[in-house]
Amino acid sequence: DTEVTQTPKHLVMGMTNKKSLKCEQHMGHRAMYWYKQKAKKPPELMFVYSYEKLSINESVPSRFSPECPNSSLLNLHLHALQPEDSALYLCASSQVTGLNEKLFFGSGTQLSVL
Amino acid sequence: GESVGLHLPTLSVQEGDNSIINCAYSNSASDYFIWYKQESGKGPQFIIDIRSNMDKRQGQRVTVLLNKTVKHLSLQIAATQPGDSAVYFCAEKVAGNQFYFGTGTSLTVIP
Repeated sequence: DTEVTQTPKHLVMGMTNKKSLKCEQHMGHRAMYWYKQKAKKPPELMFVYSYEKLSINESVPSRFSPECPNSSLLNLHLHALQPEDSALYLCASSQVTGLNEKLFFGSGTQLSVL
Repeated sequence: GESVGLHLPTLSVQEGDNSIINCAYSNSASDYFIWYKQESGKGPQFIIDIRSNMDKRQGQRVTVLLNKTVKHLSLQIAATQPGDSAVYFCAEKVAGNQFYFGTGTSLTVIP
């Protein structure tokens, strides 16, 4: 199984809503990532978890709250978002180190904030 | 056809021609590089990777070249096919598990 599964595929939320994005992988990867991607732009790194601990936070606003409950799951909790947060949110996983560190990506959650 | 990556983000080639997509990376300490293909509505898909101790690596119809002196990466696609139409990104591993993506190049293959 070389798949990263993200749910939901699409999400529309108001600025006062609370929602969560979910990501799951069963490749035994111990590094998991959240990226944000605007249309026609490259993915931008948001957070990295290594061995279920947050190792990198790219100065992301606190209205985005990541969580890694176990080695297979990664969540992104959303609260009080702004319209400019509308984007494709990508989850990825990889080995932490070694010869095969490449990122495996999910298909993303397309988020619209109204 | 050839793109200059950051400066020419769109590349159009005839089916059957070779394509060259370029990328300038930013960090001289980066030791691992990956090319990804992204089709509309999908996440990035791995194409080929290369470590900094190599200057060339070949896959099936694809070749990656690395020039560390000028911090430049290129992806060559042989006999480009319509299914190769997509946006192509290079990614560099800066440290630990920090992967950063280049601007991207949109490749269109003309049948």
